[in-house]
Amino acid sequence: NAGVTQTPKFQVLKTGQSMTLQCAQDMNHNSMYWYRQDPGMGLRLIYYSASEGTTDKGEVPNGYNVSRLNKREFSLRLESAAPSQTSVYFCASSYESGFSYNEQFFGPGTRLTVL
Amino acid sequence: GDSVTQMEGPVTLSEEAFLTINCTYTATGYPSLFWYVQYPGEGLQLLLKATKADDKGSNKGFEATYRKETTSFHLEKGSVQVSDSAVYFCALSASGYSTLTFGKGTMLLVSP
Repeated sequence: NAGVTQTPKFQVLKTGQSMTLQCAQDMNHNSMYWYRQDPGMGLRLIYYSASEGTTDKGEVPNGYNVSRLNKREFSLRLESAAPSQTSVYFCASSYESGFSYNEQFFGPGTRLTVL
Repeated sequence: GDSVTQMEGPVTLSEEAFLTINCTYTATGYPSLFWYVQYPGEGLQLLLKATKADDKGSNKGFEATYRKETTSFHLEKGSVQVSDSAVYFCALSASGYSTLTFGKGTMLLVSP
C-alpha cells in the first residue's frame, strides 16, 4: 500500500517549457487535490477533484490545468512555465462521504524550479 | 473568506520544554479544525483534529481544544522531544466542504 505517490521528485524547467506532474493514490479515495507550498505562504490549493470526472478551481489556478484520468490518478499540467511557478507541489487525497470530513493524505511532493 | 493565522516561527525550545503554538481562525458557520505536521523533506501528515466546539483533539502527546468563543485552536505539548522538530500547520475545513485552508506554518526546532 503505497498511499499517495508523485512523480517526478525534482524538476528544472526553462521559462516557457511545459510539463505534467503525476499523482496516483491506491486508497480508493474519491477526492484528490493539488497544492503548492511557498516559503512564508503555507499551502495554497490549486485545483481539486471531488470525484472522478469533476474538477474545480482552488485559490491559485492560473497557469495550471488538471486532468482526473480515473479514480486513482490526478495530473497537474503547466503549459508554459514561469519563474513564479517555482514551488513545491503536493498532491493529496481523501474519502469524502458528503456527511463528514475525512483526513487528507499527502504525497511526498515535487520540487519544481523554473529558470 | 476563510482564513487561518498562526504565530510566526521559528519556535526554538530545549528538550522537555512546554510547547504552545497559537492558531486563530476566521470562518462562517462551524468549521472543522486540524493540525498537520511536516517533517523535513516529507509531505504533510494529520496530527490531530476537532470537528465541533469544545472538542479536544490529541495525538502523540499533542493536544488542541476547539474554542469557538475565541476562534482559536492552539497546539500544546507538555514535553517536547528533538524528534518533534518539524513545521506545524493549522488548517480549517468550512462547513460542507472538503477543501482545506491552511495557515502559513510554524517551524519548531528542539535542541537536546
